[in-house]
Amino acid sequence: EPEVTQTPSHQVTQMGQEVILRCVPISNHLYFYWYRQILGQKVEFLVSFYNNEISEKSEIFDDQFSVERPDGSNFTLKIRSTKLEDSAMYFCASRTPGRPAYEQYFGPGTRLTVT
Amino acid sequence: GIQVEQSPPDLILQEGANSTLRCNFSDSVNNLQWFHQNPWGQLINLFYIPSGTKQNGRLSATTVATERYSLLYISSSQTTDSGVYFCARRTAGNKLTFGGGTRVLVKP
Repeated sequence: EPEVTQTPSHQVTQMGQEVILRCVPISNHLYFYWYRQILGQKVEFLVSFYNNEISEKSEIFDDQFSVERPDGSNFTLKIRSTKLEDSAMYFCASRTPGRPAYEQYFGPGTRLTVT
Repeated sequence: GIQVEQSPPDLILQEGANSTLRCNFSDSVNNLQWFHQNPWGQLINLFYIPSGTKQNGRLSATTVATERYSLLYISSSQTTDSGVYFCARRTAGNKLTFGGGTRVLVKP
């Protein structure tokens, strides 16, 4: 069964460093998402991406964040200058434009630790 | 904004017990998903269930859109069922809004 994959599974970085989290969505999916979960809290929406542009972003998704689909398979989330409060689990999700139209499939997550 | 509330926040079960988790939302639903977050933090799709009832093994879910709630049933619970269960509904723009989760611990 096709699945969303994410790399790395865990990344440790120092405050101020840039990180790139990678996702490979399911191959025929066209809508892509990033969500974040701070330890012990609920999962929060960051950004959605369709047709090579951001369709929606949350207040969390400030200028330090960017997303890109550099090729036909990868979808990346970049944090330019990490802060301690960026430590969280980051989930990538994707969905097909077909039916069921709105079911999102989640990857296993990347745990980001900023020290 | 859209609110998604889950109850109970915590649940301790003896292995073999049955349980019901509830998800309430503040407006009519046209998309609802249930997820299980395992102890390693992975988020696993359980059900996409905007309405009606679905079953998958020992788990089943029912959404009553007109009453604005969804239920997740765990039957004959096993220790591997431990983790956090989230419901989430689609809001305008197709993003998912998650509830606060129900933390389940199944004891052997």
